[in-house]
Amino acid sequence: DAGITQSPRHKVTETGTPVTLRCHQTENHRYMYWYRQDPGHGLRLIHYSYGVKDTDKGEVSDGYSVSRSKTEDFLLTLESATSSQTSVYFCAISEALRLAGDNEQFFGPGTRLTVL
Amino acid sequence: GQQVMQIPQYQHVQEGEDFTTYCNSSTTLSNIQWYKQRPGGHPVFLIQLVKSGEVKKQKRLTFQFGEAKKNSSLHITATQTTDVGTYFCAGPRGGAQKLVFGQGTRLTINP
Repeated sequence: DAGITQSPRHKVTETGTPVTLRCHQTENHRYMYWYRQDPGHGLRLIHYSYGVKDTDKGEVSDGYSVSRSKTEDFLLTLESATSSQTSVYFCAISEALRLAGDNEQFFGPGTRLTVL
Repeated sequence: GQQVMQIPQYQHVQEGEDFTTYCNSSTTLSNIQWYKQRPGGHPVFLIQLVKSGEVKKQKRLTFQFGEAKKNSSLHITATQTTDVGTYFCAGPRGGAQKLVFGQGTRLTINP
């Protein structure tokens, strides 16, 4: 497995509280992503980063913000958690586009977040 | 926006039976990727298909990319209990480095 860690692995919080999830990689990959996984919806992209301090929104970005101050770290923040943000959150990384070969994403172990 | 639909959502088979999951995109894809997620685990890359009509095999798994590059399938021959999990297809969206995932097909197997 690629060197990706997520912290915390589990978190229970209350509605209205801020939450920050951390993704750390040791692969020096340029691209980093945050997904959420919910039953019946597969994996949906929240935000992604294409370099230090370069980030953009995904398909379900409302209520989330991200920051990437170093290549190895990508933070996902829920400014004011809501019950609808209860989910499993996965971080992923990928290398720069290659003309030949695969451009797969490598996923971290996930963080299970429960918002009460 | 671009959508990737995957069917069926669930499939239960007896061990030894074959299994197929189908992926359909609303737009032409430059490539398609397949991932497997074991229960309680994280998605793991299986394969990428790039060429129209491409067929790739990995032991008992056969992956196909349609001629129009809008659909794909994964077929498992003679399933084993180790095949249990959810299989996702994914295609690039809004640039090669972003993916849109299908909803996944959850495979369960009766030993």
